[in-house]
Amino acid sequence: DTGVSQDPRHKITKRGQNVTFRCDPISEHNRLYWYRQTLGQGPEFLTYFQNEAQLEKSRLLSDRFSAERPKGSFSTLEIQRTEQGDSAMYLCASSWRLAGAHPLNEQFFGPGTRLTVL
Amino acid sequence: DAKTTQPPSMDCAEGRAANLPCNHSTISGNEYVYWYRQIHSQGPQYIIHGLKNNETNEMASLIITEDRKSSTLILPHATLRDTAVYYCIVKSGGYQKVTFGIGTKLQVIP
Repeated sequence: DTGVSQDPRHKITKRGQNVTFRCDPISEHNRLYWYRQTLGQGPEFLTYFQNEAQLEKSRLLSDRFSAERPKGSFSTLEIQRTEQGDSAMYLCASSWRLAGAHPLNEQFFGPGTRLTVL
Repeated sequence: DAKTTQPPSMDCAEGRAANLPCNHSTISGNEYVYWYRQIHSQGPQYIIHGLKNNETNEMASLIITEDRKSSTLILPHATLRDTAVYYCIVKSGGYQKVTFGIGTKLQVIP
């Protein structure tokens, strides 16, 4: 399977614990995105990377959230001191940005990690 | 990015065409119309996009009005597997952040 993969698919944790999610983008894609989706709502943008550089962060990404993409390939999203309000689906997407070409920015999404904070 | 308005839900009989409308009256000249869908418990899936001409691919057709203030996504022969939430998004091609609304929940009925 050459699509975007995410691990784990489901995570249940207790309030106050730290959690980390992993995203593996499509191998030739240089852009990687994180979104959060709560029940009944569309996905909300959190942050994106071009290669290893984090280029934009949403105000939704509080100081308890940190994302990394150390070698420009996979990415991790860590939530520290989880709160019940962090319960959501966390989606990762990737896309390919060709230098000099029109950026169509078709984003391919992974299946998501569903987080439940008790 | 321009804001979009979609009906919250629609039904369509299996085998019939599903026509999903989207209003984007504040769209600017460099903004594209994108459509994604999200089947239950899966990540969103890109369907189609367009600037001002009508577009067609293997999944759907996109009809954009001449003034670009609205568009319609057409699934020509809806199947039960097309039951999903459909998101209409307007954004400039170079801008990375995708703003999803609530979308239209399409229910295909046998």
